[in-house]
Amino acid sequence: EVQLVESGGGLVQPGGSLRLSCAASGFTFSNFAMHWVRQAPGKGLEYVSAISTNGGGTYYANSVKGRFTISRDNSKNTLYLQMGSLRAEDMAVYYCARYSDSSYGYWGQGTLVTVSS
Amino acid sequence: QSALTQPRSVSGSPGQSVTISCTGTSSDVGGHNYVSWYQQHPGKAPKLMIYDVSKRPSGVPDRFSGSKSGNTASLTISGLRAEDETDYYCCSYAGSYTWVFGGGTKLTVL
Repeated sequence: EVQLVESGGGLVQPGGSLRLSCAASGFTFSNFAMHWVRQAPGKGLEYVSAISTNGGGTYYANSVKGRFTISRDNSKNTLYLQMGSLRAEDMAVYYCARYSDSSYGYWGQGTLVTVSS
Repeated sequence: QSALTQPRSVSGSPGQSVTISCTGTSSDVGGHNYVSWYQQHPGKAPKLMIYDVSKRPSGVPDRFSGSKSGNTASLTISGLRAEDETDYYCCSYAGSYTWVFGGGTKLTVL
């Protein structure tokens, strides 16, 4: 059974940093591109970042470019999102999602990031 | 990248059909056959319902179907059931390793 479990969310002050993790199991992690997608409270879904199977390609939405860094450790079956210079508008539930067949077939349960002083 | 345009809400009676539209541009919906649709119940993660415009993942009822014409994709749900009442999002590849979602549509089953 495919499982994606996010962790690392919490309360952070504006301008602060946070690292999210997504532990994957039930599939060959290194065979799949992975994405982060977020959802602000009461709002819609927003693509945040993507990473290729070997980590050699990383991609970002304009809204987070230069502030967030996506990475993966295929030996640990784990996806990461290092978030810096956090703003109020970054407050959201962050989901990791497995990308295949040009879609998000599997999602984690999400981890909430709260940006507030 | 601007969000794709979806109606804020649609409604239908049990057994009827409803269609949710998703309008983009020639850079996203119109330029790629990589449109997907997600169902999201409150407090839950999204669930893939349609991918590559019209393909259904294993386990998704054939009451759900997808199509595309020009810059607009559509999700049609036939034989509406009470459990279909929730939020739906479209998503499209937008080129240059970017993806864009629609704003979401709340489906009400009357």
